[in-house]
Amino acid sequence: DQQVKQNSPSLSVQEGRISILNCDYTNSMFDYFLWYKKYPAEGPTFLISISSIKDKNEDGRFTVFLNKSAKHLSLHIVPSQPGDSAVYFCAAKKESNTGKLIFGQGTTLQVKP
Amino acid sequence: EAGVAQSPRYKIIEKRQSVAFWCNPISGHATLYWYQQILGQGPKLLIQFQNNGVVDDSQLPKDRFSAERLKGVDSTLKIQPAKLEDSAVYLCASSLEAFGSPLHFGNGTRLTVT
Repeated sequence: DQQVKQNSPSLSVQEGRISILNCDYTNSMFDYFLWYKKYPAEGPTFLISISSIKDKNEDGRFTVFLNKSAKHLSLHIVPSQPGDSAVYFCAAKKESNTGKLIFGQGTTLQVKP
Repeated sequence: EAGVAQSPRYKIIEKRQSVAFWCNPISGHATLYWYQQILGQGPKLLIQFQNNGVVDDSQLPKDRFSAERLKGVDSTLKIQPAKLEDSAVYLCASSLEAFGSPLHFGNGTRLTVT
């Protein structure tokens, strides 16, 4: 049972343009969502998060949008840079439930110079 | 601050052999996690410790996997005997608290079972 889904395995964008990564979830009990970035041979690193009481959170070039009714969140990167090329994982949890994160399958982003 | 340390980085074993992984979390982090990441999938939680107590091990295959966190600091994850489907990257992560703080991951151990 895949509770967090990232349906696009890969995405390619031109440097300077916007990257939009999407994530869907099925469990309405999730109330906290995170994005992690992973470079090859490294562990995932925390990028940005959003609580279910918000619909948007912004940190520099990164913005996460949450649509609770659609059970959908997205990560926008503007402008995209070649160094953003990595695998991006969406993760979700029930904040009251021990902090256990459920991860999506990941989307590989390639930003072309 | 120093990050989460894991060793070894790579391990190749034959099926039915045993293997152990080691993790040293960020200093002061009370919560420690072991995740399994199979190629093409997202990380899956195997076990979560709060200090030296187990909080969640619902997805740990207890017939072959075991983990301990002595003195609430370092942790080891063991597989005995290994199966082909155990081939994966094993990620250790730690967080300051169980709630409300992001996980910090180590670089992982890539296990290949032949």
